[in-house]
Amino acid sequence: ENVLTQSPGTLSLSPGASASLSCRASQGVGNNYLAWYQQKPGQAPRLLIYNASSRATGIPDRFSGSGSGTDFTLTVSRLEPEDFAVYYCQQYATSPWTFGQGTKVELK
Amino acid sequence: QITLKESGPTLVKPTQTLTLTCTFSGFSLSTNAVGVGWIRQPPGKALEWLAFIYWDDDKQYSPSLKSRLTITKDTSKNQVVLTMTNMDPVDTGTYFCAHGSGWLMDVWGKGTTVTVSS
Repeated sequence: ENVLTQSPGTLSLSPGASASLSCRASQGVGNNYLAWYQQKPGQAPRLLIYNASSRATGIPDRFSGSGSGTDFTLTVSRLEPEDFAVYYCQQYATSPWTFGQGTKVELK
Repeated sequence: QITLKESGPTLVKPTQTLTLTCTFSGFSLSTNAVGVGWIRQPPGKALEWLAFIYWDDDKQYSPSLKSRLTITKDTSKNQVVLTMTNMDPVDTGTYFCAHGSGWLMDVWGKGTTVTVSS
């Protein structure tokens, strides 16, 4: 299976700062079928980015995705208070679908 | 508007079989390239994909759980059912279903919490 490794485990940042989250795959992700989700405590994950760089409906443009092959990045510019959450990457190119272990963006 | 809601028991005993139902609206599972997936999350841990059923009844399972899982759909009822046999305390967590656009799980239900304990 395609193992996704996210780094760092935790990011401590202040509102207004930028966050850069990494997701590295053990095998190339075909068609760049890589998604990013945001999850807040007690809530379901929310789709932010799909196909590595396309924003989902209603997602602010301060969220952007980039990368291809095995290395992907989620960038959150100008962090808002509501952006402090856990972020997961997930590949849906090859079964079994796999998730990374998550990156927590916390308030510094 | 696509919505999904998970339902099932909140407490099951070890060795029992868990049956979860995902009831959805806003789409049809008879539509080309549409599917429904199940994902779970142990308390404080990461997401784990379990199973996916496609509009044409193609089914995919997590290899590590394949022997314990069955996913089925009832298109007329707008429901997808997941069964997991031989439940163990390590299976405790929140179980989510999600709408699949192709293989992308783009809209999720709120989840249902399952505790495995005697």
